[in-house]
Amino acid sequence: GAVVSQHPSRVICKSGTSVKIECRSLDFQATTMFWYRQFPKQSLMLMATSNEGSKATYEQGVEKDKFLINHASLTLSTLTVTSAHPEDSSFYICSARDRGTGETGEQYFGPGTRLTVT
Amino acid sequence: GQQLNQSPQSMFIQEGEDVSMNCTSSSIFNTWLWYKQDPGEGPVLLIALYKAGELTSNGRLTAQFGITRKDSFLNISASIPSDVGIYFCAGHYNYGQNFVFGPGTRLSVLP
Repeated sequence: GAVVSQHPSRVICKSGTSVKIECRSLDFQATTMFWYRQFPKQSLMLMATSNEGSKATYEQGVEKDKFLINHASLTLSTLTVTSAHPEDSSFYICSARDRGTGETGEQYFGPGTRLTVT
Repeated sequence: GQQLNQSPQSMFIQEGEDVSMNCTSSSIFNTWLWYKQDPGEGPVLLIALYKAGELTSNGRLTAQFGITRKDSFLNISASIPSDVGIYFCAGHYNYGQNFVFGPGTRLSVLP
């Protein structure tokens, strides 16, 4: 149980184009999903928190117009990197909080998406 | 804001050795989680702890929720090559808060 998928696993795009990454909770409902960015050999950097049916909350320094997040249902959140630039190249990981775990609310991570902008 | 520190930052051990790592917080937490991340993959939840003093095992892994509620420990016994990866701790005070993640401990196992 508690499986989170991400699609695509890898994507290469040209500078100036937009890329959409999907995050799905496969066997549970997720009221809250999180998007992280991770640079090589570094820790997870929280970009934003999204709750189903409401606007995402972005961490300080993360441009909300550049990283569009849509949490359309209890099992799907999408991150769109708009007008991508080479410096946006990174490993993007989503996680989802299981609605059914009550007060504890463990987060389960997807396998990540490697974005390369040329 | 809340911060987590993990120690050591990295470690190299021989296969078969036991491993200990810890995570300390500047404030009290009521839930601790330990994750492992393999290269190029997302973190996988290893152990969750919910009560001060709790000791929980998952195979060769054992984690403890510190009595002060400001720290947690993860031990790996008889390490094997597939234990290689980054181990992250995470904690939060209550459900309404996001988990805070530590910077990770990078484990390398030498054959």
